[in-house]
Formats: sequence, C-alpha cells, structure tokens
Amino acid sequence: DAEITQSPRHKITETGRQVTLACHQTWNHNNMFWYRQDLGHGLRLIHYSYGVQDTNKGEVSDGYSVSRSNTEDLPLTLESAASSQTSVYFCASSGSPDTQYFGPGTRLTVL
Amino acid sequence: QKEVEQDPGPLSVPEGAIVSLNCTYSNSAFQYFMWYRQYSRKGPELLMYTYSSGNKEDGRFTAQVDKSSKYISLFIRDSQPSDSATYLCAMRTGSARQLTFGSGTQLTVLP
Repeated sequence: DAEITQSPRHKITETGRQVTLACHQTWNHNNMFWYRQDLGHGLRLIHYSYGVQDTNKGEVSDGYSVSRSNTEDLPLTLESAASSQTSVYFCASSGSPDTQYFGPGTRLTVL
Repeated sequence: QKEVEQDPGPLSVPEGAIVSLNCTYSNSAFQYFMWYRQYSRKGPELLMYTYSSGNKEDGRFTAQVDKSSKYISLFIRDSQPSDSATYLCAMRTGSARQLTFGSGTQLTVLP
C-alpha cells in the first residue's frame, strides 16, 4: 500500500545546530507540503512543492529550507535551530488539491 | 486577524449527542471546504469535502457551507467515543493547491 513516512519520529537538538527532517511518499504525488503544528495555531504551512525542482515558501518559512530532487522525497532543513522551532512537524502529499495525506509527524525539541 | 477562525474548545459531550463544530473565514475567494480529523499523536486525515455553499451528508456526518455568512459547520449525529479527536477545518481558493487550516477543535465524547 502507498504511504507517507517521516523520520525521525522524535528529535532533540541544541540551539544553533542544523537539523534535517525526512519525508518520503510512495503515492507518486507531485504536491508535497511541510507544516508545523503548535497549540493555538493549528497547522501552519512552512514550504511546499508542486514537482521536482519546484519549491515555494509558505506562511512561516523563515529559518527553514527544502529541496526537491525527486518525486518521493521532500526533506525539511532547519539551518540553525532555535527554541521557537520546537514543534510537531507534519509532511503531507496530494494528487488532488483537497485530499492531503499526512505523515505521522516528527516531534522536535530544541534546547 | 487570522483568515480562518475556529473555536479551539475543548468540547466534551455525552455519547449519542449531536455535535456542532464551526469555522468562520474572512477570504471571500475560498471555494473549497474540507474537514480533517486528527486522532491524538497522529496526522490529520480527510473526513469531508464540499464545494461552494450547501450541505453534504456522509453517514453520521454532515458538512454545511454558508458562503454568504463565511461560515462552515460540521455536524456529528449520534456521537461515539471513537469520534474523540481534534477536528480541523480547511479551505482553499479555486486557483490554489495549498490549504488554509483552522486551529482545530478538540472533541471528547464520553461513554
């Protein structure tokens, strides 16, 4: 069965370190998204991609970057982790605009 | 002001109750409306999808859109403990492929 996976599921890091969160989907979807979820804010879009070599900034992109070298993967990099980036991160993919399939999430703690 | 407002709850109801969950929005260009359900420590999953104004029913769930009031609702009839989750509304304009999410309402159905 097709699926979307994220790794690691939990990560603790220190302020200033570079961190990369992996997202891999086997749906063969062109559209992929990264969100962060915080209490009181819901899901906020960080970056998104509509295909290989395409990346776009979302609502809260400062301090984050993505690259899309193939259809299956969209890694999210925190260039220099900050305590404000402690959050739960969700990756999603979609073939149609309205049905996004979400991964299980990564809990990131920045100390 | 956020584009999409959703009462965060928490909302606690007895089993069998009718539940009403609501979102308001400010962008009149939104045309497609969705409800996602998120169980604890899981990623969201699509529950209902509607286009423009009107009602859509799926089993115990009814989604309602009132574009004139910029107001959408999700009704759950005969609520069950398995309905306990966070419900997020989401919407997009006709041309967008990304979604704007509400902050989510946490629902608990007590047996």
